[in-house]
Amino acid sequence: DGGITQSPKYLFRKEGQNVTLSCEQNLNHDAMYWYRQDPGQGLRLIYYSQIVNDFQKGDIAEGYSVSREKKESFPLTVTSAQKNPTAFYLCASTPWASGANVLTFGAGSRLTVL
Amino acid sequence: AQSVSQHNHHVILSEAASLELGCNYSYGGTVNLFWYVQYPGQHLQLLLKYFSGDPLVKGIKGFEAEFIKSKFSFNLRKPSVQWSDTAEYFCAVNENFNKFYFGSGTKLNVKP
Repeated sequence: DGGITQSPKYLFRKEGQNVTLSCEQNLNHDAMYWYRQDPGQGLRLIYYSQIVNDFQKGDIAEGYSVSREKKESFPLTVTSAQKNPTAFYLCASTPWASGANVLTFGAGSRLTVL
Repeated sequence: AQSVSQHNHHVILSEAASLELGCNYSYGGTVNLFWYVQYPGQHLQLLLKYFSGDPLVKGIKGFEAEFIKSKFSFNLRKPSVQWSDTAEYFCAVNENFNKFYFGSGTKLNVKP
């Protein structure tokens, strides 16, 4: 089955540590996205990538970094500079970088900073 | 930047009651509009979408939404809710075909 796989599902981190969340898709989609979901705030865009080796900051990129070395992979690193990293992180993709698109989501990764 | 407002944060209904969830957006240009649903423990999934044409769109599970351009609104409706509709509902807007903006979500609890 085609879809988006995020790992790990749950992650605990100590303050001051960087952590990388994995996102892999086998849908052959061009564009990939990272969102952060907090209760009562909906989904906020962290980073997105429309093509391999290119990505753009979203609305809340500070303290995060990404790479897009392969079409199917878009890992997110939550750095120690992110002041409030405890959240639910969602990876998504769309078939094309532009046009009438629909987001497909992964199951999410829940990060807790101890 | 685009903003998307969902007026109801938490709605409690009895089974068979009618549902209407409000959604307003700020962008004045061409937009694509969506409602996504997140059932407990499940992925976010598409409920319905509007790209163009008939402003009344129908989605899965008996849901529909009406795009009213003059009011910048895309309200979600269902004539008769079921217990299985208990979920969180998100309105989303896509402008310039790349960035998607989401509302803060509405949690719906349907009492059996």
